[in-house]
Amino acid sequence: SAVISQKPSRDICQRGTSLTIQCQVDSQVTMMFWYRQQPGQSLTLIATANQGSEATYESGFVIDKFPISRPNLTFSTLTVSNMSPEDSSIYLCSVSRYLSGANVLTFGAGSRLTVL
Amino acid sequence: DAKTTQPTSMDCAEGRAANLPCNHSTISGNEYVYWYRQIHSQGPQYIIHGLKNNETNEMASLIITEDRKSSTLILPHATLRDTAVYYCIVRGISGAGSYQLTFGKGTKLSVIP
Repeated sequence: SAVISQKPSRDICQRGTSLTIQCQVDSQVTMMFWYRQQPGQSLTLIATANQGSEATYESGFVIDKFPISRPNLTFSTLTVSNMSPEDSSIYLCSVSRYLSGANVLTFGAGSRLTVL
Repeated sequence: DAKTTQPTSMDCAEGRAANLPCNHSTISGNEYVYWYRQIHSQGPQYIIHGLKNNETNEMASLIITEDRKSSTLILPHATLRDTAVYYCIVRGISGAGSYQLTFGKGTKLSVIP
């Protein structure tokens, strides 16, 4: 399966600033996703990062707050804009692969973000 | 997506089999059952998936009832490293959104020495 590297692994940020998280995959993948995991909660899908076009956002997430880039089939970035303490979460990049008749996800280790 | 129901937590003695149940009574015919786990401070890890037949891989076995309304993930010889939150997810394989997975609260498995 694909190997996913995320940077930074963790960061502490000030309220009102923005942070960009990078996701690098060791092979070309079609489908790439960004998830958020708030403290003590399960994962929530933010958006699908589309290569060559605008990302597809899930309900409750907007491009102005979470701009996403996908310049090629191995790389994507997620920016968390104008951060507030409520944005403190783990942000996870994932990719899909076809296995035994279904699509399974591989995840990066995540980027733990703390907003003061 | 079909909704899944899992126990909040379970304990298992080290070296014994861990059997994690999942109810998915509203599953439809084209929906797979997926299992993932998340060890503390790591990203989720894919374990296994199945449609209607029992499946086994190097990590676990998946037993799906004949009516497909429930399933059990079996870790045959649990180790301390298997302590994690285990997620049972039901999802179709085609159509809009078929690549994404919706994670519930999962079962926190604690393997006891």
